[in-house]
Amino acid sequence: AQTVTQSQPEMSVQEAETVTLSCTYDTSESDYYLFWYKQPPSRQMILVIRQEAYKQQNATENRFSVNFQKAAKSFSLKISDSQLGDAAMYFCAYRYRDDKIIFGKGTRLHILP
Amino acid sequence: ETGVTQTPRHLVMGMTNKKSLKCEQHLGHNAMYWYKQSAKKPLELMFVYNFKEQTENNSVPSRFSPECPNSSHLFLHLHTLQPEDSALYLCASSPRTASNMNTEAFFGQGTRLTVV
Repeated sequence: AQTVTQSQPEMSVQEAETVTLSCTYDTSESDYYLFWYKQPPSRQMILVIRQEAYKQQNATENRFSVNFQKAAKSFSLKISDSQLGDAAMYFCAYRYRDDKIIFGKGTRLHILP
Repeated sequence: ETGVTQTPRHLVMGMTNKKSLKCEQHLGHNAMYWYKQSAKKPLELMFVYNFKEQTENNSVPSRFSPECPNSSHLFLHLHTLQPEDSALYLCASSPRTASNMNTEAFFGQGTRLTVV
């Protein structure tokens, strides 16, 4: 069965610093998609970034980038120049055939002023 | 605002009550989902509907009954719930074509359910 593991329940980072959130997944599929979602206190789940498994190039969205290691089944999120508004729960998610989207347990990120 | 609207935002119900959660999207998406989010647990996929047909029932107890009358609306009917069913229930939608797996799910803001 496909699983997504986020081993860091909580993390803290100083404002303006860089932080990396870890995610590993288990799958026997070769064609799939990976996502990072952000859930602030408002509870609204918002997509941060996505990665297609067939692409070797790591996705980047402004201050957010991923380190996708397909062989290691690792998909970490790097947030550069952290801002107070980045404080939230971050969920790693995996999508494969059909429409199932499987989520990890999440990492709560605190931004220290 | 993601285009997915859930009502009510908060619900308190007794174990003998019957209530329904509503989800609505006008994004033209064909797939709709119910997720359960409990403290210290991953988001649990409950049900998936594609083109109004249920394609996934993730071993959900029968006290939860989904209904999808059309591609824009999704309901979750609740009856004789238990206190452990208290959680945030999230609805999501996404396009449903073979070429659209890279499209994310769009989430509503959830219904915070408390069973007393």
